[in-house]
Amino acid sequence: SQQGEEDPQALSIQEGENATMNCSYKTSINNLQWYRQNSGRGLVHLILIRSNEREKHSGRLRVTLDTSKKSSSLLITASRAADTASYFCATDAGSWGKLQFGAGTQVVVTP
Amino acid sequence: DSGVTQTPKHLITATGQRVTLRCSPRSGDLSVYWYQQSLDQGLQFLIHYYNGEERAKGNILERFSAQQFPDLHSELNLSSLELGDSALYFCASSRRQGHEAFFGQGTRLTVV
Repeated sequence: SQQGEEDPQALSIQEGENATMNCSYKTSINNLQWYRQNSGRGLVHLILIRSNEREKHSGRLRVTLDTSKKSSSLLITASRAADTASYFCATDAGSWGKLQFGAGTQVVVTP
Repeated sequence: DSGVTQTPKHLITATGQRVTLRCSPRSGDLSVYWYQQSLDQGLQFLIHYYNGEERAKGNILERFSAQQFPDLHSELNLSSLELGDSALYFCASSRRQGHEAFFGQGTRLTVV
């Protein structure tokens, strides 16, 4: 079963626009991690936000976490064609660090 | 480059066969996790090893087994393969619980 649910399932935007995707989860967590996957390739770690943090930034990425609503969002600002990928949230609920992944958001950025 | 190395990158084998997937974690990482990614099931946690010991099991079939060796590399053994075992198999490593998990490029297994 999947802990996280991403929304939307797919997103199509133009270069320069912002992309926002959301993740909801069901149980208490230690941290939540976002990953990027280019078509059929490896998962690239983007950012980790701990349960006691509300917002985190990394370059053009901004992640928020609302533990009361059990949700997180990932914002990519000024998107580029190279940001075209699937984005996954993964929750660490404290069971030896194993991650539960959502189904992902497929983002397409057109030039 | 995540620092996690998986071999082979691609594997094509027949039903009923047995294969071994190999993972070398990042230097210094004691935890190794195995995940399976398929179109219908998404990314599923299979098993976790910490410093040679099994710590957690997920949706891992009895036909699958894994181990972590003293040098911390890990192997995932898949036997009596079925068509439905075709998937991307990822290994991830982590310094310790609660830290970032870094993934390898995966092994794409095709069972024909």
